Amino acid sequence: DAGVTQSPTHLIKTRGQQVTLRCSPKSGHDTVSWYQQALGQGPQFIFQYYEEEERQRGNFPDRFSGHQFPNYSSELNVNALLLGDSALYLCASSLRDQPQHFGDGTRLSIL
Amino acid sequence: AQSVTQPDIHITVSEGASLELRCNYSYGATPYLFWYVQSPGQGLQLLLKYFSGDTLVQGIKGFEAEFKRSQSSFNLRKPSVHWSDAAEYFCAVGSGVTGGGNKLTFGTGTQLKVEL
Repeated sequence: DAGVTQSPTHLIKTRGQQVTLRCSPKSGHDTVSWYQQALGQGPQFIFQYYEEEERQRGNFPDRFSGHQFPNYSSELNVNALLLGDSALYLCASSLRDQPQHFGDGTRLSIL
Repeated sequence: AQSVTQPDIHITVSEGASLELRCNYSYGATPYLFWYVQSPGQGLQLLLKYFSGDTLVQGIKGFEAEFKRSQSSFNLRKPSVHWSDAAEYFCAVGSGVTGGGNKLTFGTGTQLKVEL
């Protein structure tokens, strides 16, 4: 039973570019959440998707957007990249009120 | 707004010694509390959770945590630490009526080093 899978594992971009990160939830899960983890910090909630709709959003600018597909997989898009967007981006999936399961993340570096 | 404080940034213990990692939370309602562990280059693995009921919860890898409402604390403990326990530990509080599936607010983490 595959857990949460994220792609790519590493990514290097330059300032001003756009990036798309992908996440496949654990089998049977219907909710996907995205977190940003800066170096030496705890993860910070970006947003959550359920039934293809954004259900909750953290304190992140509109440059961060997402999507959930009918098969429950999800994408995180970041436009106009800034140096401060360099971080580990974690995807987590869950079912109803059960705890979230995390993927290994995508390490995004901005030059 | 909910928040989590982990007062200890780094902790070093000897293998076989006991461990307690501190966590204090701020949340207006009954909290849903979690401990996750993160090894270098990895995602987060759930150690244990508290939703309701018994305030002493057991988790994986021999860890346990105690919820103390009066102290707004949810400290993680292990009676005998193994070298493989070296990692970063995060306490988190979940919002919303559906608890674990909703927005998690994390502390800044405690880095555990185990001396052989």
